[in-house]
Amino acid sequence: DAKTTQPPSMDCAEGRAANLPCNHSTISGNEYVYWYRQIHSQGPQYIIHGLKNNETNEMASLIITEDRKSSTLILPHATLRDTAVYYCIVRVYNNDMRFGAGTRLTVKP
Amino acid sequence: DAGVTQSPTHLIKTRGQQVTLRCSPKSGHDTVSWYQQALGQGPQFIFQYYEEEERQRGNFPDRFSGHQYPNYSSELNVNALLLGDSALYLCASSKLRPGQTLRSGNTIYFGEGSWLTVV
Repeated sequence: DAKTTQPPSMDCAEGRAANLPCNHSTISGNEYVYWYRQIHSQGPQYIIHGLKNNETNEMASLIITEDRKSSTLILPHATLRDTAVYYCIVRVYNNDMRFGAGTRLTVKP
Repeated sequence: DAGVTQSPTHLIKTRGQQVTLRCSPKSGHDTVSWYQQALGQGPQFIFQYYEEEERQRGNFPDRFSGHQYPNYSSELNVNALLLGDSALYLCASSKLRPGQTLRSGNTIYFGEGSWLTVV
């Protein structure tokens, strides 16, 4: 019960913005939206998280809709090293993160 | 500041054997969780350790056990290995207490994992 829906795969041209959507229509009012990515054969890497407001850090921006039923992770200038599986997670209790299948992002030259 | 470290990075075991995987949490973190990630799937929660006790467990059999030491490091033990136990085993650490829902500032960090192949 990952509670999130993401497209299985997406492509992006190098240097362009990558916009990764996530639907979480059953999110509870106190649940944060977390994004992680996993580059091949490595552990998941924390990217960003948010509750209601849009958030930005050195890696990415997170846009959450006003009704909080969906969000978009934005990588502003994708590079080949951003090729990875991206996970949107909203259910975290007792350190039990419910991963879905994620989106496999391929950045192409 | 060292992140989450795991050892070994790769290992091969035979069916029926036992394996021990080790994890040192990120500095300042005292809660450790273990995940199993089969090829092509997302990580699945095995269990969480806090104050040297198992606090929560996912849907894994008793063949999977663990331990946490006073310095917060942890071990994952798997007995009677099956071919289906072949996976990437991930350790995660945080300051999240048992019974807590993740809030801002209590981010969970993962190690690079231990690849276990059972033949």
